[in-house]
Amino acid sequence: KAGVTQTPRYLIKTRGQQVTLSCSPISGHRSVSWYQQTPGQGLQFLFEYFSETQRNKGNFPGRFSGRQFSNSRSEMNVSTLELGDSALYLCASSLGQKTYEQYFGPGTRLTVT
Amino acid sequence: AQSVAQPEDQVNVAEGNPLTVKCTYSVSGNPYLFWYVQYPNRGLQFLLKYITGDNLVKGSYGFEAEFNKSQTSFHLKKPSALVSDSALYFCAVRDMTGFQKLVFGTGTRLLVSP
Repeated sequence: KAGVTQTPRYLIKTRGQQVTLSCSPISGHRSVSWYQQTPGQGLQFLFEYFSETQRNKGNFPGRFSGRQFSNSRSEMNVSTLELGDSALYLCASSLGQKTYEQYFGPGTRLTVT
Repeated sequence: AQSVAQPEDQVNVAEGNPLTVKCTYSVSGNPYLFWYVQYPNRGLQFLLKYITGDNLVKGSYGFEAEFNKSQTSFHLKKPSALVSDSALYFCAVRDMTGFQKLVFGTGTRLLVSP
């Protein structure tokens, strides 16, 4: 099976712009979670989607949003980018609620200048 | 709230020697614990998990972890380290308030010298 794929892998944006990141989960996986990784804050949970519904959201401002499509692919959007949004954004997929392992994609490295 | 702590920023070990990467947890209820590894410019790779059952959990690449309830620890171990094991290791606990949400430790960098 193909693993979790994330596009693009690298992105450079200017402060104030918006960005959309994409994640395709492992085939058959219905849960997609997003995490932000920075040197200062480590790995922080952004949100989780299951069957197109957001089930949980981390402590991030409303500029961070996401959605999941019927094929389980997910996108996250960050509007009005700030320098502090520079990070590695990781997507993880799992079968669903009663399974425990999450499988991570390679991440999207976002740089905000 | 669930949390995990990784007390060591870095662990140095010589190739062929046993390695231990430490993790302690704080949870309400039964913990669901995980270890992940991250190589440079890569995502996280799942190594192993503890949900219930035997306290010694075996995982990928020869790694194992010992769950100790009395000490609230979940240390990662390997009998014989390889240079290729050099990476960043994360301990995580599943947040019981929210489905798949994982709460990660700060990570421990493992450096295996030849």
